[in-house]
Amino acid sequence: AQSVTQPDIHITVSEGASLELRCNYSYGATPYLFWYVQSPGQGLQLLLKYFSGDTLVQGIKGFEAEFKRSQSSFNLRKPSVHWSDAAEYFCAVILYGGSQGNLIFGKGTKLSVKP
Amino acid sequence: DTGVSQDPRHKITKRGQNVTFRCDPISEHNRLYWYRQTLGQGPEFLTYFQNEAQLEKSRLLSDRFSAERPKGSFSTLEIQRTEQGDSAMYLCASSLGRGATNEKLFFGSGTQLSVL
Repeated sequence: AQSVTQPDIHITVSEGASLELRCNYSYGATPYLFWYVQSPGQGLQLLLKYFSGDTLVQGIKGFEAEFKRSQSSFNLRKPSVHWSDAAEYFCAVILYGGSQGNLIFGKGTKLSVKP
Repeated sequence: DTGVSQDPRHKITKRGQNVTFRCDPISEHNRLYWYRQTLGQGPEFLTYFQNEAQLEKSRLLSDRFSAERPKGSFSTLEIQRTEQGDSAMYLCASSLGRGATNEKLFFGSGTQLSVL
């Protein structure tokens, strides 16, 4: 069955520290991969996406993610976290050729930022 | 863009009652999606429309759930005979569908349903 795993339910980092959020997927074919952020009271916002090509993708707000086929992973990174980054982060996939709306989300990782 | 608007923001109902939620997509967006998000989980796809046509509804959770988009603009999601397990956040998203690689989804803030 198709699935997305985010192993970390909750992560706390200090402001200014680096961040890596993990995401693993389970598919036979190459999926389309996404990271979304959800802040309280706000809608989900797309941070970045990977379809093909360069395996390191840049997104908004200083985030980047790297696709590693051998590890079935698409981890999200940020070199220096800001207090405003505190939110919940979701990794998601769709199968090749599918509509972006048919997203399959992971359970999310809640990020807390210490001052 | 004025964004995707959902109404109401919160709904409290008693078990067995019917509820209806409304979603107003971004103007001219031809695709509209409904998701459900329960506590501690990621959003779960329910159904989607391309204009007024409902192209995928097999993922609706039961026959108590139905959705419409009669004029290809706003959409409604109805839950009949609500159960406590229906308590969740219901999210709507819209896009100008141009193929998976060019599409960008915009999500609303959701309707939080509590069934007592």
